[in-house]
Amino acid sequence: AQSVAQPEDQVNVAEGNPLTVKCTYSVSGNPYLFWYVQYPNRGLQFLLKYITGDNLVKGSYGFEAEFNKSQTSFHLKKPSALVSDSALYFCAVPRGYKYIFGTGTRLKVLA
Amino acid sequence: NAGVTQTPKFQVLKTGQSMTLQCAQDMNHEYMSWYRQDPGMGLRLIHYSVGAGITDQGEVPNGYNVSRSTTEDFPLRLLSAAPSQTSVYFCASSRRQGGYGYTFGSGTRLTVV
Repeated sequence: AQSVAQPEDQVNVAEGNPLTVKCTYSVSGNPYLFWYVQYPNRGLQFLLKYITGDNLVKGSYGFEAEFNKSQTSFHLKKPSALVSDSALYFCAVPRGYKYIFGTGTRLKVLA
Repeated sequence: NAGVTQTPKFQVLKTGQSMTLQCAQDMNHEYMSWYRQDPGMGLRLIHYSVGAGITDQGEVPNGYNVSRSTTEDFPLRLLSAAPSQTSVYFCASSRRQGGYGYTFGSGTRLTVV
């Protein structure tokens, strides 16, 4: 069965430091993988996706994610965190017509 | 484009009342879904539709009905509200299955007392 796991409920990082939000997946075949961000009292917004090709995917707001097939991971990264990056982040994988979401990781960037 | 529009944004219901959450998209997307978001549980799929006239159940369909008479609209009906249905509800649409991703509405925060 297709699934994603986000092992950390919360990640704290100081402003200006690099950040990583972790996601591992269990997908048969070649995976499509997504990251979404949810700011307070808002819907989810698309950040980036991996379909095929380069393992390093660049997305919105300076975020990037690295697809690692051997480790079945798709970690979200940013070289220098901003306070405005504080939000809830979801990893997701499509399963037919539906999407399976991880439980979310709350990122808190401290000034 | 407006994208995905959900109404209302907030609603308080009494136990046993019924109501309809509205969802409309103007992107001519085939696929539409309803999710509920609860703390620590991520997003759980309630119902989904792959086109006008076609709907199916997701993970947590009990207590909810849907219909899809047009491509644009996908309302979610709560038949007899229960406190366990207190949640934030999101409607989402997608052009096609697989690699296209979802566009989400801004959500409806529902409280059942």
